[in-house]
Amino acid sequence: DAKTTQPPSMDCAEGRAANLPCNHSTISGNEYVYWYRQIHSQGPQYIIHGLKNNETNEMASLIITEDRKSSTLILPHATLRDTAVYYCIVRVDQGGSEKLVFGKGMKLTVNP
Amino acid sequence: NAGVTQTPKFQVLKTGQSMTLQCAQDMNHNSMYWYRQDPGMGLRLIYYSASEGTTDKGEVPNGYNVSRLNKREFSLRLESAAPSQTSVYFCASKRTSGVGVLAQYFGPGTRLLVL
Repeated sequence: DAKTTQPPSMDCAEGRAANLPCNHSTISGNEYVYWYRQIHSQGPQYIIHGLKNNETNEMASLIITEDRKSSTLILPHATLRDTAVYYCIVRVDQGGSEKLVFGKGMKLTVNP
Repeated sequence: NAGVTQTPKFQVLKTGQSMTLQCAQDMNHNSMYWYRQDPGMGLRLIYYSASEGTTDKGEVPNGYNVSRLNKREFSLRLESAAPSQTSVYFCASKRTSGVGVLAQYFGPGTRLLVL
């Protein structure tokens, strides 16, 4: 699976949009971009994923560049409960044999 | 719908003791996974089961064994615990076909301390 690069940390003011970047310059054509987050001491939580097109769900939006070498997760109105470590992962959907590779992720702190 | 459940939530062992971590999911998922997470680190895959009746090694399998008891349950056994196995253990499950998101869903974790 392609390697991803995220900044180690980021701060955001409550109520503002949080834009979390991820570089994945070696991504292959059949690899998806997935985002998970881990709130302190809890299990990771799936947020969103995409292949080429931008995606939106009730939690967030995912913007993938046209060359697919980078992406941005957008939390439109960050709240204190969004403070967490965010993981950007690229992987091929391989049914049950996938091996998710979690790096160190990026710590987002939402400030009052 | 409880999702993925894990027992126990917390355990203290002495070096050399054995124990089994239990995981169950009620989402009818085919695949199940065991990860460990050490302080300040990302998750590392220990073992996974792509489907009922199959298991495979992940990145850090040494010192562990697993059993896929049925479609719902996937247990992780430490035969002779070592201090290096002090960690937080997460179980996850995933649907592998059909409509919708094929993402892994995680349990709340088991915190293990080996003295």
